[in-house]
Amino acid sequence: AQTVTQSQPEMSVQEAETVTLSCTYDTSESDYYLFWYKQPPSRQMILVIRQEAYKQQNATENRFSVNFQKAAKSFSLKISDSQLGDAAMYFCAFLGGSEKLVFGKGTKLTVNP
Amino acid sequence: DTGVSQNPRHKITKRGQNVTFRCDPISEHNRLYWYRQTLGQGPEFLTYFQNEAQLEKSRLLSDRFSAERPKGSFSTLEIQRTEQGDSAMYLCASSFDYEQYFGPGTRLTVT
Repeated sequence: AQTVTQSQPEMSVQEAETVTLSCTYDTSESDYYLFWYKQPPSRQMILVIRQEAYKQQNATENRFSVNFQKAAKSFSLKISDSQLGDAAMYFCAFLGGSEKLVFGKGTKLTVNP
Repeated sequence: DTGVSQNPRHKITKRGQNVTFRCDPISEHNRLYWYRQTLGQGPEFLTYFQNEAQLEKSRLLSDRFSAERPKGSFSTLEIQRTEQGDSAMYLCASSFDYEQYFGPGTRLTVT
């Protein structure tokens, strides 16, 4: 069974600075997808960024980028120029052949003004 | 497109009562998923549909839980004889390919 581990329960960053959230996963599959979702307090889960495992190039979406290391089974999220609106729970998720997302326990990000 | 919608947003019920939640997916999405999220945890998969067919059910889904998607459009999740341990956020998501988009969830409190 696949597992996703987020080893940082909480992180904080100063506004305008850069922060990196860590995620590792375990799988025996070779074709899969990885995602980062953002869940603001009392608001719905939003898809931030996706990575296809067959692509070597790291995904980028505006201020959000990932560092995907397939051999190490590592998938970190970098947020540049952090904004107050980035404060939220961030979940790393794995999608393999089973069609169901497997989530980590999340990292709570605080952005300090 | 208005996104995935869920109703009700909040439900408070007494132990032993039955509750039903509804999810309306994004209109062109053929896959629909239910997840459960408890405080401080990531969502956990419950079940999913492709069109009207229920293709997988988690072992988390006891016999008291049932889900339907009668015409391949909206879905309902029913919990019979609710228990305090059922208190959680119930999330619905839909997809056309591999990206799942979530609704706002239904927060269930069992007293």
